Amino acid sequence: GQQLNQSPQSMFIQEGEDVSMNCTSSSIFNTWLWYKQEPGEGPVLLIALYKAGELTSNGRLTAQFGITRKDSFLNISASIPSDVGIYFCAGPGSNFGNEKLTFGTGTRLTIIP
Amino acid sequence: NAGVTQTPKFQVLKTGQSMTLQCAQDMNHEYMSWYRQDPGMGLRLIHYSVGAGITDQGEVPNGYNVSRSTTEDFPLRLLSAAPSQTSVYFCASSYGRGWPQHFGDGTRLSIL
Repeated sequence: GQQLNQSPQSMFIQEGEDVSMNCTSSSIFNTWLWYKQEPGEGPVLLIALYKAGELTSNGRLTAQFGITRKDSFLNISASIPSDVGIYFCAGPGSNFGNEKLTFGTGTRLTIIP
Repeated sequence: NAGVTQTPKFQVLKTGQSMTLQCAQDMNHEYMSWYRQDPGMGLRLIHYSVGAGITDQGEVPNGYNVSRSTTEDFPLRLLSAAPSQTSVYFCASSYGRGWPQHFGDGTRLSIL
């Protein structure tokens, strides 16, 4: 099956720093999604990307659809304590409908006071 | 505005027992799905439904059954619980045939 690899697996940063993470696939994706999960809760959809090269922002979050269609990137500027959580990338891939998402293994973000 | 509601929040079962995890949404969403989340792994799709009366298998369907008799409800049944099914289960919904937009808070299931 399809695999999504996220890097890094975990990050420890200080408040105010910028954050960068990425997600790579073994196959082409037509849509890239980024979710955030806080402890004890379900994931929340942050950003959806629909075509290669697309750059989309949601407040301090910016995500990009890689031009190879096999990767995506998420940046968080000026991190704050509420950014703590696990960030997942996800996508349906080229051989599946939107119903069958594959999720990455997640990047766990911890902010050091 | 409840969104996606999952019950129970926690459950402990013995091997071989059966149970049903409940999921309900009040947004009139057509698409609903069930995922399981294991430590260090992303969410994996178990079953999904694109509307009442229509269900299909996801990545890890073995040991689970679903049905969709109404738009609002999408229960997940464990037929004979096994320790490998210890996990956190999430139900999700979205409008139309799209990716999940709303997740419940999960059911934490332990099988002894």
